[in-house]
Amino acid sequence: NAGVTQTPKFRILKIGQSMTLQCTQDMNHNYMYWYRQDPGMGLKLIYYSVGAGITDKGEVPNGYNVSRSTTEDFPLRLELAAPSQTSVYFCASSSLGSSYNSPLHFGNGTRLTVT
Amino acid sequence: GENVEQHPSTLSVQEGDSAVIKCTYSDSASNYFPWYKQELGKGPQLIIDIRSNVGEKKDQRIAVTLNKTAKHFSLHITETQPEDSAVYFCAVRPPTDSWGKLQFGAGTQVVVTP
Repeated sequence: NAGVTQTPKFRILKIGQSMTLQCTQDMNHNYMYWYRQDPGMGLKLIYYSVGAGITDKGEVPNGYNVSRSTTEDFPLRLELAAPSQTSVYFCASSSLGSSYNSPLHFGNGTRLTVT
Repeated sequence: GENVEQHPSTLSVQEGDSAVIKCTYSDSASNYFPWYKQELGKGPQLIIDIRSNVGEKKDQRIAVTLNKTAKHFSLHITETQPEDSAVYFCAVRPPTDSWGKLQFGAGTQVVVTP
């Protein structure tokens, strides 16, 4: 049981390039989330999904896109990378949405630098 | 929307002493309050959580207290050990949310010195 797996661990992008951050979970969780973590800012929700085919915007969705074609996978797409997207990105999942007895399970993150 | 403030941003304690981190929230109807611990190079991990109908919960050396009237909740770590060094995040689930989205505090860097 690997939990939530994110790839790559590190990436450097040039301004204007695009990339996809991969996230997969093997816990059969319906709910999946993408957060970004900036120093002193906590975790901000980018996008989330409550099941295959269903996605919605979080607090900071601009410049990102997501898809959810399977229960296991929830990739995050960055189009036209900008320095403001330099951050650590975390994918998380939960069985019933974060609540008592249904905590978020996080991956180990992708550190992205845009120069 | 829900606003969560967390203090202090950094906390240095001697091994064996206690550590307390406090979070305040704005929506009095919020109903779920978890705490996550993030070790270096890893994702956050749930360490303890509390529901709005409970005032205090303990799990070995950690405890969470909730004051609904004052709209704040705190994490207490007793007999701190070097492995307690990490970043701790509080979070709140707003009452209007149906999808399990959490609002996180900004985090507290805890350093336990031997």
